[in-house]
Amino acid sequence: QQPVQSPQAVILREGEDAVINCSSSKALYSVHWYRQKHGEAPVFLMILLKGGEQKGHDKISASFNEKKQQSSLYLTASQLSYSGTYFCGTIPGNEKLTFGTGTRLTIIP
Amino acid sequence: ETGVTQSPTHLIKTRGQQVTLRCSSQSGHNTVSWYQQALGQGPQFIFQYYREEENGRGNFPPRFSGLQFPNYSSELNVNALELDDSALYLCASSLASRQAEAFFGQGTRLTVV
Repeated sequence: QQPVQSPQAVILREGEDAVINCSSSKALYSVHWYRQKHGEAPVFLMILLKGGEQKGHDKISASFNEKKQQSSLYLTASQLSYSGTYFCGTIPGNEKLTFGTGTRLTIIP
Repeated sequence: ETGVTQSPTHLIKTRGQQVTLRCSSQSGHNTVSWYQQALGQGPQFIFQYYREEENGRGNFPPRFSGLQFPNYSSELNVNALELDDSALYLCASSLASRQAEAFFGQGTRLTVV
């Protein structure tokens, strides 16, 4: 079953912060985060492999709560280039990478 | 640029026809996964190939089939095309590890009329 992301869409002004949540009904081995701009392929952002792990990439970071089967992506001081649709990807057990429902992020000047 | 190339970039087919999409994986990657992405939706897993063998399949009918070649490139074949098959088809290459990141090609936009 597909991970559920929230919110579905968010509009921010440049410089504001955002949090995107990803929740799975299955126990997770890892969580991947991708960003897809309109008309382009998804681009890998980061993988979180262990419960409680946090990672950062520029001003984008993420956390993974293995017990709650959830992950959150944090975008701070958002830039125009952050616009796009963000997908979490989860790998439950021996299954394959399954993408979430997506969150469309729009940054306005 | 990821090093994963897909061809063709766009394709228009008639309902009932057959189509073959191609993917060249990134150098050194032995695993290729195919995804279908409908407009406004997330990528849906079709199947994965590892060393020329199918290594997992999503909830797609048998008319979706694939191949992987010794050089790890791959094909996706769809028979008896239906209007709902219209979508962006993405290929992703990776190493055979659940920890490995997937690198996506630009996709093939298939339109069935």
